[in-house]
Amino acid sequence: QSALTQPPSASGSPGQSVTISCTGTSSDVGAYNYVSWYQQHPGKAPKLMIYEVSKRPSGVPDRFSASKSGNTASLTVSGLQAEDEADYYCSSYVGSGNYVFGTGTKVTVL
Amino acid sequence: QLQLQESGPGLVKPSEILSLTCTVSGGSFSRSSYYWGWIRQPPGKGLEWIGSISYSGSTYYNPSLKSRVTISVDTSKNQFSLKMSSVTAADTAVYYCVRCSDNWFDPWGQGTLVTVSS
Repeated sequence: QSALTQPPSASGSPGQSVTISCTGTSSDVGAYNYVSWYQQHPGKAPKLMIYEVSKRPSGVPDRFSASKSGNTASLTVSGLQAEDEADYYCSSYVGSGNYVFGTGTKVTVL
Repeated sequence: QLQLQESGPGLVKPSEILSLTCTVSGGSFSRSSYYWGWIRQPPGKGLEWIGSISYSGSTYYNPSLKSRVTISVDTSKNQFSLKMSSVTAADTAVYYCVRCSDNWFDPWGQGTLVTVSS
C-alpha cells in the first residue's frame, strides 16, 4: 500500500482559510468512508481532528471541516489561528484491517 | 480518561529485536470493538501504520513489515506489545501506541524514540 499524497506545505494569513488535499486510489480513499485527519505540533503526538471523512470529535473547533470526492479527501481550516500551525496527516482504511497515512502537510500561519 | 503509555529500550543494536510495551489506563481495554495498534514516525518524516491487535488477539500487520513484526496482548495487565526483529537504522523512529476505534486512531500515547545503532 502506497502513502496517500498530500501537498508538502500550505499557508494562510490569520483569519483566512487553507485547504489540504489527500489523494489516494479507488482501493483506499475512494473505497471507504474511513478517512481521518490528524494534527501534529512539533515534538507532540498526533491528535485526531476528523474521522469518517467529515465528523469532528468532541472538543475540535468547528473551524475544522472535511469532505471527500472520489479518490481525494480534503481538510479545510477556516479562520486560521496561530495555534493551527502544525503538520497535518490524513489516513485511510485500505481493507483487510490495514491502514495507510498521507505524506503530511505543514501548515504555516503567515 | 483513557491514557496510553509506551515503554521499552531507547537504543537497540542492528539485527536485534526491538521490544516495546503499551500500558492502557483509565478506560476499557476489553471492549470488543476496539483494536490496539502501533504507529511509527522516523525523525523528520511521516507516519507509518505498523499493525493492530484486538483484545482477543486477532492481528493485522502492514504488509511491508509483516515478516518482522509481532504484536501481542496481555489482558491481565491491560498491555499490548510490539516486537520487531532484524532491525536496521531505517527502523529508528518515534513509536506511538494507539487505540483503533472503528477505523480511526484515538487516543495516542506520547511516543517513545527508539534508535537503532551499535
